[in-house]
Amino acid sequence: EVQLVESGGGLVQPGGSLRLSCAASGFTFSSYSMNWVRQAPGKGLEWLSYIKSSGTIIYYADSVRGRFTISRDNAKNSLYLQMSSLRAEDTAVYYCAREGDSGSYASAWGQGTLVTVSS
Amino acid sequence: DIVMTQSPDSLAVSLGERATINCKSSQSVLYSSNNKNYLAWYQQKPGQPPKLLIYWASTRESGVPDRFSGSGSGTDFTLTISSLQAEDVAVYYCQQYYTTLYTFGQGTKLEIK
Repeated sequence: EVQLVESGGGLVQPGGSLRLSCAASGFTFSSYSMNWVRQAPGKGLEWLSYIKSSGTIIYYADSVRGRFTISRDNAKNSLYLQMSSLRAEDTAVYYCAREGDSGSYASAWGQGTLVTVSS
Repeated sequence: DIVMTQSPDSLAVSLGERATINCKSSQSVLYSSNNKNYLAWYQQKPGQPPKLLIYWASTRESGVPDRFSGSGSGTDFTLTISSLQAEDVAVYYCQQYYTTLYTFGQGTKLEIK
């Protein structure tokens, strides 16, 4: 069974940093591209970042480019999101999501981790 | 960026009736070389992560009931629930994966009338 478990969320002050992790199991992690998607309280889904299976291709949404860094460790079956210069508007549940077998749709999602940016 | 616009924002349908949600993209998500529409639909119930329902605009994900169907091509797409069940109450999102900025629609909240 495919499992994605996010961790690392919490309360952080504006301007601060946080590192999210996503532990993957139940599939060959190194064969799949991964994404981070977030959802602000009561709002819709916002795609944030993509990393190719090999880690060699990375994309970011304009809203986080230059502040967030996606990475992965295929040996540890783990995906990461390093977040810096955090703002109140970054408050959200952050999900990691795996691409599908035949395309870049998100076929599996974690339960999410809540990041709250507040003083 | 491709902007995805869903309509309506909310919808109330009686049990057993048909529910239809529309999604329009600001540019075509049909890739001519393989004739595939890079469009997915997700269902999100309260307190849960999204769940993939449909990909390639009309391919149902394994395990998704056949009352869910997707149609459309180019810039206009539709998610149809043929006979609404109580467990279908949720917010539904479309998403394009044609470009590397994988934008979502704003969501459509589906309720029971």
